Amino acid sequence: GAVVSQHPSRVICKSGTSVKIECRSLDFQATTMFWYRQFPKQSLMLMATSNEGSKATYEQGVEKDKFLINHASLTLSTLTVTSAHPEDSSFYICSVNRGEETQYFGPGTRLLVL
Amino acid sequence: GQQLNQSPQSMFIQEGEDVSMNCTSSSIFNTWLWYKQDPGEGPVLLIALYKAGELTSNGRLTAQFGITRKDSFLNISASIPSDVGIYFCAGGGGYGGSQGNLIFGKGTKLSVKP
Repeated sequence: GAVVSQHPSRVICKSGTSVKIECRSLDFQATTMFWYRQFPKQSLMLMATSNEGSKATYEQGVEKDKFLINHASLTLSTLTVTSAHPEDSSFYICSVNRGEETQYFGPGTRLLVL
Repeated sequence: GQQLNQSPQSMFIQEGEDVSMNCTSSSIFNTWLWYKQDPGEGPVLLIALYKAGELTSNGRLTAQFGITRKDSFLNISASIPSDVGIYFCAGGGGYGGSQGNLIFGKGTKLSVKP
């Protein structure tokens, strides 16, 4: 498998502020990481594919200027929710692709925007 | 877009019973994955299937990659209380999407009566 960590595990912020979430691949150099969002009692929804050294690929309907992704190294990808609003409150989960379309997920970050 | 139909949506079973859930799609996939998600945590990979017809076990779990590449099932034998959680199927590749992307089912919520 692969060991993936996320930080912070939960965050509460005021509306209008920005929040950065880190995703680290602890035992594998990942050229590709994925960011998902999960609302209560729903499945995972892919937001974007994070590519090391290049721009992220965003899914349709996901605002790239609002959800900034930086994949600066083979072990770290960050997701910044800019000017967060209450509707951005969700569970954000990253994953690492370790080949053959198999993904290993981080523990998730619970974001609550007041 | 691509969709996976996962059933049942939820189930209550008596401890010790066997459980079966499945996913179907109108499109083919190259990879089928089964994950378990506990509340407030990221999904954990249970079984990965890479070849049509493949039958793979992981302890009390058994999963099969349908021969048509459009379906997969997961069986849990002799269920125990810690099997409680939400199980997701995911299909990868085979549909011209970005490499490594997964399509998720909506999940099967498993509850065990002690």
